[in-house]
Amino acid sequence: DAKTTQPPSMDCAEGRAANLPCNHSTISGNEYVYWYRQIHSQGPQYIIHGLKNNETNEMASLIITEDRKSSTLILPHATLRDTAVYYCIVREAISNFGNEKLTFGTGTRLTIIP
Amino acid sequence: DAGITQSPRHKVTETGTPVTLRCHQTENHRYMYWYRQDPGHGLRLIHYSYGVKDTDKGEVSDGYSVSRSKTEDFLLTLESATSSQTSVYFCAISPGQRYEQYFGPGTRLTVT
Repeated sequence: DAKTTQPPSMDCAEGRAANLPCNHSTISGNEYVYWYRQIHSQGPQYIIHGLKNNETNEMASLIITEDRKSSTLILPHATLRDTAVYYCIVREAISNFGNEKLTFGTGTRLTIIP
Repeated sequence: DAGITQSPRHKVTETGTPVTLRCHQTENHRYMYWYRQDPGHGLRLIHYSYGVKDTDKGEVSDGYSVSRSKTEDFLLTLESATSSQTSVYFCAISPGQRYEQYFGPGTRLTVT
């Protein structure tokens, strides 16, 4: 199973870009990188995912290195509502039916500072 | 937000009693999941379903059973609750493989 490593906590000033790193050096060729976040006491929220190309949506950008061993989630203009725990997840297959589970680690606690 | 509800949202029960948690979706998604979240462990998969009456175990399935008789409902049962099952339980849904999962608001279960 491909594992991920994230810093346990980070701070970012409100209005600045928040860059959250993730290491996944054992990722295999058909595994995607997913990012979720969890605001206190709520269910996790999907942010973005990618395979090898950089991705952008209305919430964030995902930059994956060429060797795919690491990635960075970028929140371009962080607000106080972005304070949450951010999870970097590498998806793996667990059955012959092709369904993939999400293995959540302990994530990065991002605090946006006013 | 995806149409997912969980009931009850909070429950306190005694050791040895049966408990059933319900997840209900209005998205007609094929896949449904039950996770538990505990301090220091992140979210861990208990069971999942890939269709009506089709379920499989996750990484922490001991002590739990599930049933899915309709597309929209996925039930998690603790046959005889133990204090180690005190946790926050999240349901998630997904339209299929290689798609993101959407999570419900959670159920906080306390076993005394």
